[in-house]
Amino acid sequence: DADVTQTPRNRITKTGKRIMLECSQTKGHDRMYWYRQDPGLGLRLIYYSFDVKDINKGEISDGYSVSRQAQAKFSLSLESAIPNQTALYFCATSDSRLAGVRREQYFGPGTRLTVT
Amino acid sequence: DQQVKQNSPSLSVQEGRISILNCDYTNSMFDYFLWYKKYPAEGPTFLISISSIKDKNEDGRFTVFLNKSAKHLSLHIVPSQPGDSAVYFCAASEWQNQFYFGTGTSLTVIP
Repeated sequence: DADVTQTPRNRITKTGKRIMLECSQTKGHDRMYWYRQDPGLGLRLIYYSFDVKDINKGEISDGYSVSRQAQAKFSLSLESAIPNQTALYFCATSDSRLAGVRREQYFGPGTRLTVT
Repeated sequence: DQQVKQNSPSLSVQEGRISILNCDYTNSMFDYFLWYKKYPAEGPTFLISISSIKDKNEDGRFTVFLNKSAKHLSLHIVPSQPGDSAVYFCAASEWQNQFYFGTGTSLTVIP
């Protein structure tokens, strides 16, 4: 089984709809992240959470909200979807116990979201 | 403004030759750098990293070089194999803060 899972893998929705993307991990990591990937723009950080009670905005948080329901679950919501939120969304995790030495993040397989 | 830049969107290399992927950054406070590899329909996977206290880190066919004075890092793949064909992202962070990613370079290794 994958260590970081994302649901759904693909979603098409209409402008104005509320949508939630979910991320679960079995790695036991305390830190979780949401990124979006757009052609020519690479990966940009939307929100990150260093533990259940610590949630921070990233570079492009406008139009998004998150919820850290448990250490293993981190959800991203689009309250009112718009077409320029069409992108590939990735969840990632990392372990703060290694942060001083090794800081790599482990990514889920991604959710392709299309807003029409 | 983009703090991490990969100026080459694509690169083609013959199998067996060296692939060199480049990355530049602007923030002198970055102290940890990573390379990720991404295949289509998959999430990025960690490849290799380097701390700012080093100028080289090697792992098998992959070597990352860091030039702090030039704010430049590069990834060398020797020898290149067709399975290395993927998009490569560099990333950088300052202490334990968030990571900043480059825009990616698509590497094609020609058999």
